[in-house]
Amino acid sequence: DAKTTQPTSMDCAEGRAANLPCNHSTISGNEYVYWYRQIHSQGPQYIIHGLKNNETNEMASLIITEDRKSSTLILPHATLRDTAVYYCIVRVAINTDKLIFGTGTRLQVFP
Amino acid sequence: NAGVTQNPKFQVLKTGQSMTLQCAQDMNHNSMYWYRQDPGMGLRLIYYSASEGTTDKGEVPNGYNVSRLNKREFSLRLESAAPSQTSVYFCASSPWPGTEETQYFGPGTRLLVL
Repeated sequence: DAKTTQPTSMDCAEGRAANLPCNHSTISGNEYVYWYRQIHSQGPQYIIHGLKNNETNEMASLIITEDRKSSTLILPHATLRDTAVYYCIVRVAINTDKLIFGTGTRLQVFP
Repeated sequence: NAGVTQNPKFQVLKTGQSMTLQCAQDMNHNSMYWYRQDPGMGLRLIYYSASEGTTDKGEVPNGYNVSRLNKREFSLRLESAAPSQTSVYFCASSPWPGTEETQYFGPGTRLLVL
């Protein structure tokens, strides 16, 4: 599975959009980009995933560059409850789906 | 629908003691996983079970054994606990391996080995 690079930490004002970048320059054509978050040592929570196209759900949007070497997770209106560690993971959806977690980005949302 | 449940939530062991961490899911998922998370680190896969009756090693299997008791339950056993196994243990499940379906995680078991 391809390796990902994320900033160690980011800050965001409450109510503003939080844009979390991820580099995955060695991603293969059949590898998906997944985002999870972990709030205060709870179990990781799935946010969104995508292959080539941009995706949106009730939690967030995922923007994947055309060359697929990087992506951005967007939380459109960050709240204090969005303070968490966000993990960007690339995986191939074949055989067993082992997720390889890096150290993620610690997002701090402030009032 | 409780999702993925884990027991116990907290445990303190002495070096050399054994224990079994329990995990159960009520989502009729086929695949189950055990991860560990050390302070300041991401999760690392210990063992997984792609389907009932099968288990395979993950990234850090040494010192652990697993049992897929049935489709719902997947246990992790520490035969002789060591301080290096102090960690938070997460169980996860997914509908099938090899699909886009995501993994769902339990709340974790916090283990301290003295």
